[in-house]
Amino acid sequence: EDKVVQSPLSLVVHEGDTVTLNCSYEVTNFRSLLWYKQEKKAPTFLFMLTSSGIEKKSGRLSSILDKKELFSILNITATQTGDSAIYLCAVEAPNTGNQFYFGTGTSLTVIP
Amino acid sequence: NAGVTQTPKFRILKIGQSMTLQCTQDMNHNYMYWYRQDPGMGLKLIYYSVGAGITDKGEVPNGYNVSRSTTEDFPLRLELAAPSQTSVYFCATSITNYGYTFGSGTRLTVV
Repeated sequence: EDKVVQSPLSLVVHEGDTVTLNCSYEVTNFRSLLWYKQEKKAPTFLFMLTSSGIEKKSGRLSSILDKKELFSILNITATQTGDSAIYLCAVEAPNTGNQFYFGTGTSLTVIP
Repeated sequence: NAGVTQTPKFRILKIGQSMTLQCTQDMNHNYMYWYRQDPGMGLKLIYYSVGAGITDKGEVPNGYNVSRSTTEDFPLRLELAAPSQTSVYFCATSITNYGYTFGSGTRLTVV
């Protein structure tokens, strides 16, 4: 059964810590993997990954995909309270009956 | 418990045609949303509803209409399809205004 699993489910860290969020997937016809930041508004797009081993970076956030081992990680360095959110991973897998598979998210809380 | 169900999964429309994207949820969530996702971009909110009988415009409502006659259903209507509406459409629900559960999406192409 196609699925996307994120870990950990929740995480509490102090400001300045570095965190790594994990997303593993089992889907057929993989096309891309997307990361979103979900706060009390519409989810914000972070990264789209299609190729293995190429790191995408935006400020303190970075992400990389391993298509052989079927996972992706999202790193956040020097965390700030504004990073507190749910981070969603979604895998695009067209032609399988479903378009996108969403993970349940990782809830990150950054304490001052 | 099916969660959020969207139909159809794929559709090709000709310019000027109309169609309705269906969204049904069995989680008794009050909040429901319609988003569109364009290639390599984030989700943009089209319309949302905080409960049966209540709907509101989101960021990109033009060319779309919605209704919410029941808690379970939140259909999205395209009246005169345009190429700019080629996108992937997601329906989502939540208990409050965060912590979404997404449907699997509808890929729409307008030619």
